[in-house]
Amino acid sequence: DTEVTQTPKHLVMGMTNKKSLKCEQHMGHRAMYWYKQKAKKPPELMFVYSYEKLSINESVPSRFSPECPNSSLLNLHLHALQPEDSALYLCASSPWGPREETQYFGPGTRLLVL
Amino acid sequence: GQQVMQIPQYQHVQEGEDFTTYCNSSTTLSNIQWYKQRPGGHPVFLIQLVKSGEVKKQKRLTFQFGEAKKNSSLHITATQTTDVGTYFCAGDRGSTLGRLYFGRGTQLTVWP
Repeated sequence: DTEVTQTPKHLVMGMTNKKSLKCEQHMGHRAMYWYKQKAKKPPELMFVYSYEKLSINESVPSRFSPECPNSSLLNLHLHALQPEDSALYLCASSPWGPREETQYFGPGTRLLVL
Repeated sequence: GQQVMQIPQYQHVQEGEDFTTYCNSSTTLSNIQWYKQRPGGHPVFLIQLVKSGEVKKQKRLTFQFGEAKKNSSLHITATQTTDVGTYFCAGDRGSTLGRLYFGRGTQLTVWP
């Protein structure tokens, strides 16, 4: 199994809603990532988990809350989002270690905040 | 500021023409990776370059890593409509595991 899966594919939510994005990989990778991508822009790193511990938080607002229940799963909990948070949210995974940085991206969740 | 510069931002070619995109880092990189993102899709890993001066080929695609490990290029020979998409380079500075510095991408359009 060489793929990263993400659910849902599309999500529309109001600014008062609470929702969660889910990501799963079964490649035995020990690092998982959340990225945000706006149209015609590169992916923007949000969080990195390595060995199920948060290792990088790119000063992301607290309305985004990551969770890594185990080495195969990664969640992103959303609460009180703003319309400018509308974007493609990409999950990625990689082996962990020097020169093991190749990241494999999931198909993403297209989020629209109304 | 932007860590990895990538040019051009857009490239329009006729099918059969060649295409090149360039990346340049302000600092020496441990390795550089290339990704392709089709319209409406997600980034897909193409290749990783690690060694100084490394050249790798994948069919019509040729990837180069500069001698100083600060620049890289992707060249596509005889483009096809299936090459359409945005090509991103992503540099690993080796200082923070998991941290890649993405170029802004080159959006390639191929006219039939």
